[in-house]
Amino acid sequence: EVQLVQSGAEVKKPGESLKISCRGSGFSFSSNWIVWVRQMPGKGLEWVGIIYPGDSDTRYSPSFEGQVTISADRSTSTAYLQWSSLKASDTAMYYCARRSSRDNYFDPWGQGTLVTVS
Amino acid sequence: QSVLTQPPSVSGAPGQRITISCTGTSSNMGTGYDVHWYQQLPGTAPKLLIYGKNNRPSGVPDRFSGSKSGTSASLAITGLQAEDEADYYCQSYDISLSGWLFGGGTKLTVL
Repeated sequence: EVQLVQSGAEVKKPGESLKISCRGSGFSFSSNWIVWVRQMPGKGLEWVGIIYPGDSDTRYSPSFEGQVTISADRSTSTAYLQWSSLKASDTAMYYCARRSSRDNYFDPWGQGTLVTVS
Repeated sequence: QSVLTQPPSVSGAPGQRITISCTGTSSNMGTGYDVHWYQQLPGTAPKLLIYGKNNRPSGVPDRFSGSKSGTSASLAITGLQAEDEADYYCQSYDISLSGWLFGGGTKLTVL
């Protein structure tokens, strides 16, 4: 079964650092783009960035460039999203998903990681 | 503000047919990029509903269908059921952004 499993919920204080994870299984992790998507409380979906674990090619949404860092470890089939200094406005649910190799859609999605900064 | 525009809400009675619109621009749908649709049930992760030119992943009922013309797309749901109550998002690729866009989402209420 193709699936993405994300790390658990986090509660942090402003200024702290954080790294959340997304582990893939059932597919060739290195050969698929992995995207991160933010959903703020009661709001819609926003593209954060995307990474190709095969060569670590990474693209960021202009809204998130410089605010977060995306990385991947091919040996553990895991992608990461990290912050060096969290803000209250980073409070949101963060989802990872696999980009299709055939087109620009995302499937499957991870279950989400809730990040609370307070 | 999303570059893909969806109505904030739609509603319909069980058994009815509803449509959800998604309006893009010349830098995304108008360039020929496909529109894809996701369903997000309350408290769960989004799930792919329709991809490409009206394709449904395994397990998605044929009550769901998608269409696109120029810079507009729509999702249609026939035979509305209570379990269809969810948020629906359209998504495409944008060449000006060099990245992916989501619509603002539409909340479907089954009356």
